[in-house]
Amino acid sequence: AQSVAQPEDQVNVAEGNPLTVKCTYSVSGNPYLFWYVQYPNRGLQFLLKYITGDNLVKGSYGFEAEFNKSQTSFHLKKPSALVSDSALYFCAVRDNRYGQNFVFGPGTRLSVLP
Amino acid sequence: DAGVTQSPTHLIKTRGQHVTLRCSPISGHKSVSWYQQVLGQGPQFIFQYYEKEERGRGNFPDRFSARQFPNYSSELNVNALLLGDSALYLCASSLVFGGEQYFGPGTRLTVT
Repeated sequence: AQSVAQPEDQVNVAEGNPLTVKCTYSVSGNPYLFWYVQYPNRGLQFLLKYITGDNLVKGSYGFEAEFNKSQTSFHLKKPSALVSDSALYFCAVRDNRYGQNFVFGPGTRLSVLP
Repeated sequence: DAGVTQSPTHLIKTRGQHVTLRCSPISGHKSVSWYQQVLGQGPQFIFQYYEKEERGRGNFPDRFSARQFPNYSSELNVNALLLGDSALYLCASSLVFGGEQYFGPGTRLTVT
């Protein structure tokens, strides 16, 4: 079965500092990995995805994520955080072997402090 | 281009009633998925439709049903509502089956 873990409920970072939001996953086959962001009272917005190829994936708003197969991780990063990055972040995985259903992690709330 | 749209935005129902939620995908997208997001949790997969056929079903009771129409819009129906059905219901569309999903703003359902 597929699963996603986001070990931190909350991440606090000062504006201008680098940020990392952690994600680990479990799938039987090859993983397709995604990051989404959710602002209050809004739906989820797609940030980036890893399907295959380069382990470092660049996405929207200056975010990037690094796929690490040996550690089964897909951490989200940004070199310099903005106050406007404060939101709820979700990691998701899809195992193509068992169909196309997405499994989402529980979410990590990012707070960027001015 | 318009994104995924959902209606209604908010809904209040009483236990035992049924509800129909509607979703229009991004133009050209043929796959629609439904998710339930309970406060404080990640979205839970309910259904996925592609080309009007059900392609996936999550671990939800038979009270939940859905369909996709020829224009690729979709409805989610929930019968015999329970208090625990109170949640944000999200619809997502994708261009191809299994592609990245684009989410609508959701319908907030409150069951009293």
